[in-house]
Amino acid sequence: EAQVTQNPRYLITVTGKKLTVTCSQNMNHEYMSWYRQDPGLGLRQIYYSMNVEVTDKGDVPEGYKVSRKEKRNFPLILESPSPNQTSLYFCASSKQGIHYEQYFGPGTRLTVT
Amino acid sequence: AQKITQTQPGMFVQEKEAVTLDCTYDTSDPSYGLFWYKQPSSGEMIFLIYQGSYDQQNATEGRYSLNFQKARKSANLVISASQLGDSAMYFCAMREYRGSTLGRLYFGRGTQLTVWP
Repeated sequence: EAQVTQNPRYLITVTGKKLTVTCSQNMNHEYMSWYRQDPGLGLRQIYYSMNVEVTDKGDVPEGYKVSRKEKRNFPLILESPSPNQTSLYFCASSKQGIHYEQYFGPGTRLTVT
Repeated sequence: AQKITQTQPGMFVQEKEAVTLDCTYDTSDPSYGLFWYKQPSSGEMIFLIYQGSYDQQNATEGRYSLNFQKARKSANLVISASQLGDSAMYFCAMREYRGSTLGRLYFGRGTQLTVWP
C-alpha cells in the first residue's frame, strides 16, 4: 500500500530535550516536506526537499533541522524543543512538478512542556 | 502578502444543498497548480481536486468541482449535494512552477464546513 508513515504519532516532551520525528514514504517520490498546523493558521511549511541531499527552508524553519540522506526518509529534528513548537506536524511527499498532489502522513501531535 | 486567502473561517450548509468555499491566490508565475484538501475531525489530509493554470475547463471530481476564474485569481470549491460526511476543514493550496519557490506548496488558513441535517 502506497503511504507516508510518521513516528511517533503522539509525543509529550520537555523543553530542551532533543527529539526526532521520522517520516518515510514508499512511493519513490522525489519531493518531501514537513508542515506544522496550528489553529487559525492553516498549514505552514517548515522544510522541504526536492531530492536526496537537497533541502530548503519553508516559512517557519527556525528551531528545526532536516536531512535527506535517502530518498524514502525525511526526518524532522528538534534540537532544543520549546513550548511554541507544540503543534500538529505533517510529513508529505509527491512526485516533482506542479501537477502532483501531496500525500500526507497521519500527523504527529507534539506537546512541549 | 499571503499566497492563498480563504476568507470564510466557517460555513454552514444543509444536507443535500450545494456550497461554495472561497479561495483566492496570489502569484506572478504563469504556471501553477491549485489544490483542495479535506481534513475531517480524525485529522488526516485528503486530496480532493486539482486545477492547472493552463487548464481550459474547470476541474471536476464526483461531487466536487473547482470554479476557476483566472483573471480574478480565484479557485472556489463547489460541493454539490452536501452530505453529513462532508463536515470537515477544507484547505486551498497552490504550487508554483519556477524560481526560488519551485516545489513550494502554499496553504490557506482553511474553512470549517458544517453540514446539518
